[in-house]
Amino acid sequence: GENVEQHPSTLSVQEGDSAVIKCTYSDSASNYFPWYKQELGKRPQLIIDIRSNVGEKKDQRIAVTLNKTAKHFSLHITETQPEDSAVYFCAGLSGGYQKVTFGTGTKLQVIP
Amino acid sequence: KAGVTQTPRYLIKTRGQQVTLSCSPISGHRSVSWYQQTPGQGLQFLFEYFSETQRNKGNFPGRFSGRQFSNSRSEMNVSTLELGDSALYLCASREDRGRGGELFFGEGSRLTVL
Repeated sequence: GENVEQHPSTLSVQEGDSAVIKCTYSDSASNYFPWYKQELGKRPQLIIDIRSNVGEKKDQRIAVTLNKTAKHFSLHITETQPEDSAVYFCAGLSGGYQKVTFGTGTKLQVIP
Repeated sequence: KAGVTQTPRYLIKTRGQQVTLSCSPISGHRSVSWYQQTPGQGLQFLFEYFSETQRNKGNFPGRFSGRQFSNSRSEMNVSTLELGDSALYLCASREDRGRGGELFFGEGSRLTVL
């Protein structure tokens, strides 16, 4: 089955700096890679996703890149703000029933 | 549309007891999946149901079970509770048009086992 590894587990950045979170996956048939943000005490919510036929996708300050050959994808947050502080989860979907496998999460702290 | 609803939100049980958690998905969503969340362990996948059939399963012991009803509402049951079962249990629904799709999470049921 799919295995998704996520690094780093914690990340502290100064407000205004960029943050990068990286994930690797094992199943070369995986074709959809979402990122979820979970603020303290709240439910995870989708912030951006990318499909395997695309190399990069951007939405304002957030971007995701995908390298299918190396089987890794990354979340990039530019001009970080305190409200970006949260736990971020990457995920991969594989198999006929699109089973979702999450990474272990990255706790991002943006220091004002 | 109403969001994903989970009940109860909080509950306290003792070791050896059993518990049943309920999840009502977004209207029209036929896929419901369950996750266990503990500090430092991320989101551990339990199982997924689609049209009353379990189609994906995680690596949890048989004490964890679930089912889905014809109206897509789902329940999960944990029997013979252990201290390590204390966690936030999240359910999520999705439309499932065969190409992945966004998971919509409920607020979770926080279980404490004493």
